[in-house]
Amino acid sequence: EPEVTQTPSHQVTQMGQEVILRCVPISNHLYFYWYRQILGQKVEFLVSFYNNEISEKSEIFDDQFSVERPDGSNFTLKIRSTKLEDSAMYFCASSTEIQDLNTEAFFGQGTRLTVV
Amino acid sequence: QKEVEQNSGPLSVPEGAIASLNCTYSDRGSQSFFWYRQYSGKSPELIMSIYSNGDKEDGRFTAQLNKASQYVSLLIRDSQPSDSATYLCAVVASGGSYIPTFGRGTSLIVHP
Repeated sequence: EPEVTQTPSHQVTQMGQEVILRCVPISNHLYFYWYRQILGQKVEFLVSFYNNEISEKSEIFDDQFSVERPDGSNFTLKIRSTKLEDSAMYFCASSTEIQDLNTEAFFGQGTRLTVV
Repeated sequence: QKEVEQNSGPLSVPEGAIASLNCTYSDRGSQSFFWYRQYSGKSPELIMSIYSNGDKEDGRFTAQLNKASQYVSLLIRDSQPSDSATYLCAVVASGGSYIPTFGRGTSLIVHP
């Protein structure tokens, strides 16, 4: 069964360092998302990506964040200068296409980011 | 602000019982509704989607939607200990946004 894959599963980084989280969405999907979940809290939307550009972003997705689809399969989230409060699980998700809003998002296994 | 509300629980039910999980949402124009299951430390896993008023059944799971009351629920029949997890309600609101907004989730414990 097709699935969204994310690497690495766990990333430890020092405060102020840059990190890149990687995702391979399901191959025929057209919409890609990044969510994060701080330990014990809700799943929060960061950004969506369609047709090689950001379609929506939340207020969390500030200038330290960026996304890219560098080739036909990968979808990356870059955090430029990590802060302690960026420690969270980061989930990538993808969905096929939006037709009458009948779309379902499928999630990868997540990357646990720990900023020390 | 578009809100999705769930009782955090935990909801504790005995094995074999029906577990009833509830979710309310603030945007009356919301169109799509999803239930995800999340085991501790794992990613959300899609269980059910529902788009129209009424019931939708899939195996032991039944999703119920009442748009007039802005309420969506998930029933789990014949609950098993393996159903113990956090259940997340997600809603796609109106207004041109296609982004699922998640509730905090309800922790379900099924005890033998």
